[in-house]
Amino acid sequence: QKEVEQNSGPLSVPEGAIASLNCTYSDRGSQSFFWYRQYSGKSPELIMSIYSNGDKEDGRFTAQLNKASQYVSLLIRDSQPSDSATYLCAVGKTSYDKVIFGPGTSLSVIP
Amino acid sequence: SQTIHQWPATLVQPVGSPLSLECTVEGTSNPNLYWYRQAAGRGLQLLFYSVGIGQISSEVPQNLSASRPQDRQFILSSKKLLLSDSGFYLCAWSVIFSGLAQSYEQYFGPGTRLTVT
Repeated sequence: QKEVEQNSGPLSVPEGAIASLNCTYSDRGSQSFFWYRQYSGKSPELIMSIYSNGDKEDGRFTAQLNKASQYVSLLIRDSQPSDSATYLCAVGKTSYDKVIFGPGTSLSVIP
Repeated sequence: SQTIHQWPATLVQPVGSPLSLECTVEGTSNPNLYWYRQAAGRGLQLLFYSVGIGQISSEVPQNLSASRPQDRQFILSSKKLLLSDSGFYLCAWSVIFSGLAQSYEQYFGPGTRLTVT
């Protein structure tokens, strides 16, 4: 089992719809969870961090964490073509030093 | 505010040639520093990380090495490049706040795209 798994893409949604991106992780002791956005040819950009069970909202983005199910998700409301990118889920290990990245899900928002 | 620089932005090198990629961070002290590689269409692979000057941890045995000669400088090197070393090399930093999960947040530089021919 891979340490961090994500939906196999690509995911296509129409403009204005909700995009739902999912991620599961294997280390039950993980304490921190991140979503990064990576545009083609660019470096990853941190867009959301979540540390406690429940929802965390930031603008059109909502991160959801369920530690019991070892599941974290990212919802993008009112999706825009500019949201088209690869979204990377990352999970902080129990040590402070590093995070493990998932393979990413490619999102395409169709105008 | 913090800024991270990487150079060069792109590099084309022949097989067997040496490599030196540099990363510097501004606006913070004693950051954790990381080197990642992303092969075409693949995920991020952690290569090295450093928690302080001269302290390097290697994640993947290979022909690459890393050094941290100064607090905010991280260098990735190779004596002889292989075709499989091609990829997008990313440097990242994070600041450790003892006891806080926020210490895991990592911020990436613009990256160096390396093609080995």
